[in-house]
Amino acid sequence: GAGVSQSPSNKVTEKGKDVELRCDPISGHTALYWYRQSLGQGLEFLIYFQGNSAPDKSGLPSDRFSAERTGGSVSTLTIQRTQQEDSAVYLCASSIGRGGTEAFFGQGTRLTVV
Amino acid sequence: AQSVTQLDSHVSVSEGTPVLLRCNYSSSYSPSLFWYVQHPNKGLQLLLKYTSAATLVKGINGFEAEFKKSETSFHLTKPSAHMSDAAEYFCVVSRMDSNYQLIWGAGTKLIIKP
Repeated sequence: GAGVSQSPSNKVTEKGKDVELRCDPISGHTALYWYRQSLGQGLEFLIYFQGNSAPDKSGLPSDRFSAERTGGSVSTLTIQRTQQEDSAVYLCASSIGRGGTEAFFGQGTRLTVV
Repeated sequence: AQSVTQLDSHVSVSEGTPVLLRCNYSSSYSPSLFWYVQHPNKGLQLLLKYTSAATLVKGINGFEAEFKKSETSFHLTKPSAHMSDAAEYFCVVSRMDSNYQLIWGAGTKLIIKP
């Protein structure tokens, strides 16, 4: 597609439920990032996929969070047993994955846990 | 290891006066550096990038940044602030090993006073 697409754009869920957030990167982009942004805060790195390399999961805040990237394209971020502190905007970005190349961002998924 | 420090969490200037947002980086390699902007309730947008060509980089909306290797700095400037410049600004460094992961600063909120 023309840009990074995230779905849903908004998600309201009950505490304790599982949620899945989807990211469609720009075609041909080998690198994919997930970030979290709480209200008025900066970007919190979650996970990074680069080609066939093992993903960098060092930013995942707990074992309730996981992500996968199928076929080197679409990625799904899963949050199990959601908590109220998980409420945030979840941003996905992709890049060509070479030095000096910028990342392009989706519009994000606003997750609200009630 | 690469890292980036934005020296000010908030900067407040009057409309029509110069803007200076400070960024220092640490990198074991010749870095690629970026500035992104995020307007309220909007997505992240690339302002400009440095990739070892000209040290003075011009971006969108009249912003520019100068790469100074001796000072390990990449400060963002604009001669005359406009109300529409009010936003959050992020300085980013790219790992230049095979990983190419982007490392983000904490952000600087630019406030424009009328």
